[in-house]
Amino acid sequence: DGGITQSPKYLFRKEGQNVTLSCEQNLNHDAMYWYRQDPGQGLRLIYYSQIVNDFQKGDIAEGYSVSREKKESFPLTVTSAQKNPTAFYLCASSNSYTGELFFGEGSRLTVL
Amino acid sequence: AQKVTQAQTEISVVEKEDVTLDCVYETRDTTYYLFWYKQPPSGELVFLIRRNSFDEQNEISGRYSWNFQKSTSSFNFTITASQVVDSAVYFCALSEFIGNTPLVFGKGTRLSVIA
Repeated sequence: DGGITQSPKYLFRKEGQNVTLSCEQNLNHDAMYWYRQDPGQGLRLIYYSQIVNDFQKGDIAEGYSVSREKKESFPLTVTSAQKNPTAFYLCASSNSYTGELFFGEGSRLTVL
Repeated sequence: AQKVTQAQTEISVVEKEDVTLDCVYETRDTTYYLFWYKQPPSGELVFLIRRNSFDEQNEISGRYSWNFQKSTSSFNFTITASQVVDSAVYFCALSEFIGNTPLVFGKGTRLSVIA
């Protein structure tokens, strides 16, 4: 089935540790995105990539890093510099013609 | 700057009632695109509709309908005869371009349909 696969679904991390969230798509989409969701805050853009080997910061990029070495993959690293990393993270890719975003099932990160 | 406001944080209705979710947007662009997404408890956002700024026709899809009014910068979503399966968080979103561009999302409205 075509779609977005995020892993892990649940992740626990100790303070001071970096953690990487995986996002893979087989929809052949050029663009991929990472959003963060907090209760009552909606979805806020962390990073996005419109093409391989290129990416742009979103509204809340501080404390996060990404890479886009392959069209299919857009991993997100939550670094120890992120002051409040506990959240629900959503990865998406977009159809170039319709603009529709396709989302994964999300990764819930909890910092202990 | 673009902004989407969903003033209703939570709504509860009894099954079979009609319910309208409000969405007000701000943009300086004359061309833009509006979206609605549904987020069920599983977490994955599901696309419902896209509307471009040149098309103000209302749209109906089964029990769902959308009312786009440029004069009031609103793109409201109505569910007719609500069902328990409609319980979810609904997001309105805006983009100035079509294609490989991030969407700006509202904060969402949590709809609870009670049997």
